[in-house]
Amino acid sequence: QQQVKQSPQSLIVQKGGISIINCAYENTAFDYFPWYQQFPGKGPALLIAIRPDVSEKKEGRFTISFNKSAKQFSLHIMDSQPGDSATYFCAATSGNTGKLIFGQGTTLQVKP
Amino acid sequence: DADVTQTPRNRITKTGKRIMLECSQTKGHDRMYWYRQDPGLGLRLIYYSFDVKDINKGEISDGYSVSRQAQAKFSLSLESAIPNQTALYFCATSGQGQDYGYTFGSGTRLTVV
Repeated sequence: QQQVKQSPQSLIVQKGGISIINCAYENTAFDYFPWYQQFPGKGPALLIAIRPDVSEKKEGRFTISFNKSAKQFSLHIMDSQPGDSATYFCAATSGNTGKLIFGQGTTLQVKP
Repeated sequence: DADVTQTPRNRITKTGKRIMLECSQTKGHDRMYWYRQDPGLGLRLIYYSFDVKDINKGEISDGYSVSRQAQAKFSLSLESAIPNQTALYFCATSGQGQDYGYTFGSGTRLTVV
């Protein structure tokens, strides 16, 4: 049973456009929602994270929007660049379990 | 040197063989994890360890075993490899507390033929 569902599986965006990746979760005990970015041949790296007490967090061109009632959160990449082409994973965890539950991943291609 | 080092980077092995994947970290963290990555399935937790004496199964531990030799070392073994264990394997480490940021290694691509 997939506790964190991510969509779309792949995404193609033109340079300068907005990339949007969505995630939905089931466990209402989750209290920390990070996004990871993975380039080919590398391990995932933490990109940005949010807690459910805020509805939005922005870091540069990357924004997380969080909807607690709908149990959904999304990553928005503004002014997408070819260098943003990578695989993105959403994740969730609860309390101090330390165990991250990952979504299925989204492969983003930004065309020049 | 990388914070989390995995060896080997690539490995091809035959069905039924025993294989060990190794991981070492220089972050000084107590917590270490093994995940496998498959297309369309994301990253799934195999085993995790919160200190040298603490080993826990993740969601897909069948067919795998682990050893925490020291705070910095956490190895994953496939006792009798099978083709559906062909995947990309990642080791990660994290600190405790509110910062759940994982530091991942560069992965081991394992092919079982």
